[in-house]
Amino acid sequence: GQQLNQSPQSMFIQEGEDVSMNCTSSSIFNTWLWYKQEPGEGPVLLIALYKAGELTSNGRLTAQFGITRKDSFLNISASIPSDVGIYFCAGPSGTYKYIFGTGTRLKVLA
Amino acid sequence: NAGVTQTPKFRILKIGQSMTLQCTQDMNHNYMYWYRQDPGMGLKLIYYSVGAGITDKGEVPNGYNVSRSTTEDFPLRLELAAPSQTSVYFCASSYKPAGGQEETQYFGPGTRLLVL
Repeated sequence: GQQLNQSPQSMFIQEGEDVSMNCTSSSIFNTWLWYKQEPGEGPVLLIALYKAGELTSNGRLTAQFGITRKDSFLNISASIPSDVGIYFCAGPSGTYKYIFGTGTRLKVLA
Repeated sequence: NAGVTQTPKFRILKIGQSMTLQCTQDMNHNYMYWYRQDPGMGLKLIYYSVGAGITDKGEVPNGYNVSRSTTEDFPLRLELAAPSQTSVYFCASSYKPAGGQEETQYFGPGTRLLVL
């Protein structure tokens, strides 16, 4: 079945550093979603991508829909302590469903 | 709007007990979903519904049942709780217009379930 692999699995970075993470799929997607989950909360959508090559920003976050349609990238610039959390990618699996990656756990050291 | 609400927030069950996890959304979304999230893992889809009266299995449906009698509510039922069902359960909803693209999934805060 479809799988989404995220890397890295976890990151420890200093406040102010830039962060890059990616997600790869075993099949082609026509939508990529990036979510953030804070401790004890449900995931919250950060960015949605609908077109190959698309580059979309949301504040300090920028996500790209890979040209091959099998990958996507999320960058966070000038990280701050509140960026801590788990970042998930997700893509459609069939008509009504989405599958989620295993997440990238981000910790920011002040 | 309250968005997606889930109750209870936390529950401990004994093996073999049953319970219902409640999920309600007030956004008039037609699609609703139940996921489970095991420690250190991503989200696995249990069941989903594309409208009142319509439900279907996701990736990990065994041991669970759902119903969708109204647009707002999508309860998840565990009939015979097992330790393997210890997890955090998230409900989500979204809106897909006829002939259009599904919009964002909104998640509830989760229900933490421990089966001993």
